[in-house]
Amino acid sequence: GQSLEQPSEVTAVEGAIVQINCTYQTSGFYGLSWYQQHDGGAPTFLSYNALDGLEETGRFSSFLSRSDSYGYLLLQELQMKDSASYFCAVPDRDDKIIFGKGTRLHILP
Amino acid sequence: KAGVTQTPRYLIKTRGQQVTLSCSPISGHRSVSWYQQTPGQGLQFLFEYFSETQRNKGNFPGRFSGRQFSNSRSEMNVSTLELGDSALYLCASSSLDRGRTDTQYFGPGTRLTVL
Repeated sequence: GQSLEQPSEVTAVEGAIVQINCTYQTSGFYGLSWYQQHDGGAPTFLSYNALDGLEETGRFSSFLSRSDSYGYLLLQELQMKDSASYFCAVPDRDDKIIFGKGTRLHILP
Repeated sequence: KAGVTQTPRYLIKTRGQQVTLSCSPISGHRSVSWYQQTPGQGLQFLFEYFSETQRNKGNFPGRFSGRQFSNSRSEMNVSTLELGDSALYLCASSSLDRGRTDTQYFGPGTRLTVL
């Protein structure tokens, strides 16, 4: 079956860099996505990796290593507004999107 | 473009009742997926509709059902509500530009409380 593992919580300091890891187990691989969800809000798309390497979008970057079934989301120059939950997600071979249980990011001033 | 809209935003029901939730996708998006989000289980896939056909279904009991209309609007129905059905129900639409389920654009969700 499909599964994604990510830490339940991560704490970092404002202005610093934080990395949120995601390991996946899927039958077939069709890309890894990341979503951000603020308390009371809807998940919003952040990034997508289909190939190995780093994708950069402003302060956020996402990395993928298909050989290691591993990816991470890197957040730089952390701001208080980055306090949220972050989910990794993959489509399975039937095209259902499977989400990890989310990583709660706490940012300290 | 207007985003994904869901109605109602909040709902309180009692055990045994049934409920219908509605979702209007982004204009031009033909794929609509539904998810249940609870604190302990995260986002769990319920089902996906594409062009009025259920394309995929998650591991939920038959009390959970859905449908999609010709204008891509979708409804999900939960019958014989149980306390454990209390959750945030999220709808997401996708354009399928890549030929596979694409970026999910989520609505604000419907917060269902079952008493």
